Amino acid sequence: EDQVTQSPEALRLQEGESSSLNCSYTVSGLRGLFWYRQDPGKGPEFLFTLYSAGEEKEKERLKATLTKKESFLHITAPKPEDSATYLCAVRTNSGYSTLTFGKGTMLLVSP
Amino acid sequence: KAGVTQTPRYLIKTRGQQVTLSCSPISGHRSVSWYQQTPGQGLQFLFEYFSETQRNKGNFPGRFSGRQFSNSRSEMNVSTLELGDSALYLCASSGMLAGGETQYFGPGTRLLVL
Repeated sequence: EDQVTQSPEALRLQEGESSSLNCSYTVSGLRGLFWYRQDPGKGPEFLFTLYSAGEEKEKERLKATLTKKESFLHITAPKPEDSATYLCAVRTNSGYSTLTFGKGTMLLVSP
Repeated sequence: KAGVTQTPRYLIKTRGQQVTLSCSPISGHRSVSWYQQTPGQGLQFLFEYFSETQRNKGNFPGRFSGRQFSNSRSEMNVSTLELGDSALYLCASSGMLAGGETQYFGPGTRLLVL
């Protein structure tokens, strides 16, 4: 069974204090690892897709990396508007378009 | 392009009733997936439709059903509602982004069962 585990469950940072969120996965045949951002009461917003170990992608203060067992979302010099829940999901060979999600990391950035 | 739209945005029902939720995908997207999101379980996959056919289904009871129309719009139905069905129901449509297929989510329908 495909499993996705995110840590920590919650993270509180001061503005400008860089950190990383972790997503570890156990799947049979990875066809993509996805990062989403979700604000309260809204649907998840797509951030990145990573397909192979060693791949990295960046967007503003966010950088996602992928190894064979886990992915990291690095947040550099965060701002209060980066506060949200960050979700990691995987797509596998057996699941068509289906995504299996972790439970997310709730990030709070204080000014 | 317009994003994924879902209607209604909020619903209040009582136990035993049934409910139908609607989803319009991004224009040109043929795959629509439904997810249930609760604080305890997170996002859980319900089912996926592609070209009017269900091609994948999650571990939910038969009270949860769906369909897709020829214009790719999709509906999901929950019959005999239970208190535990209270959740945010999310619809996602799949399209190609540089490098591969990506799911784009709608704003969700918040269902409260009393």
